[in-house]
Amino acid sequence: DAGVIQSPRHEVTEMGQEVTLRCKPISGHNSLFWYRQTMMRGLELLIYFNNNVPIDDSGMPEDRFSAKMPNASFSTLKIQPSEPRDSAVYFCASRNRDRTGELFFGEGSRLTVL
Amino acid sequence: AQSVTQLGSHVSVSEGALVLLRCNYSSSVPPYLFWYVQYPNQGLQLLLKYTTGATLVKGINGFEAEFKKSETSFHLTKPSAHMSDAAEYFCAVGSNYKLTFGKGTLLTVNP
Repeated sequence: DAGVIQSPRHEVTEMGQEVTLRCKPISGHNSLFWYRQTMMRGLELLIYFNNNVPIDDSGMPEDRFSAKMPNASFSTLKIQPSEPRDSAVYFCASRNRDRTGELFFGEGSRLTVL
Repeated sequence: AQSVTQLGSHVSVSEGALVLLRCNYSSSVPPYLFWYVQYPNQGLQLLLKYTTGATLVKGINGFEAEFKKSETSFHLTKPSAHMSDAAEYFCAVGSNYKLTFGKGTLLTVNP
């Protein structure tokens, strides 16, 4: 059974460029989360989708960040324009309907903005 | 509102020694509590969780944690550390849909 799949694993870009991170959740999971991990701030929840609908985007840093989930098997996190302070590891995680259940994490996308 | 405090960003033990990683939480509703482990360049994996019932929870790789409501704690223990336990460990508190993570504790195991 495939886990959560994220791409790209590594991205190096220059300031001002657009970055798109992709996530395929586990089949049958109806909740999807995007987290950002940095040394300074740890793991921060950016946005949460339930049944493809964004429920809580209060963690999205600013308007440069946007996320979509056009269907149950795909989500994107876009940064436009990117800045050096966006450098971090971005994790996607999914969960089934049980709100006490385990979050399954992808391996992350390491973003470096020069 | 909910929050997690992990005491000690770095814990170092000898192989075979007791592992104790501390976690205190704050939650306005009955919490669900989790411990996750992260190996280098990987995502987080669930070690164990507490939802309801027995307060001593056993997880994978010989780890266990005890939920103590009066102390708002959920400390992680393992009787005997192994070299393969070296990783970063995250405590998390959940309620409704949201999972809030602590800053993590890096566990080093010395031979």
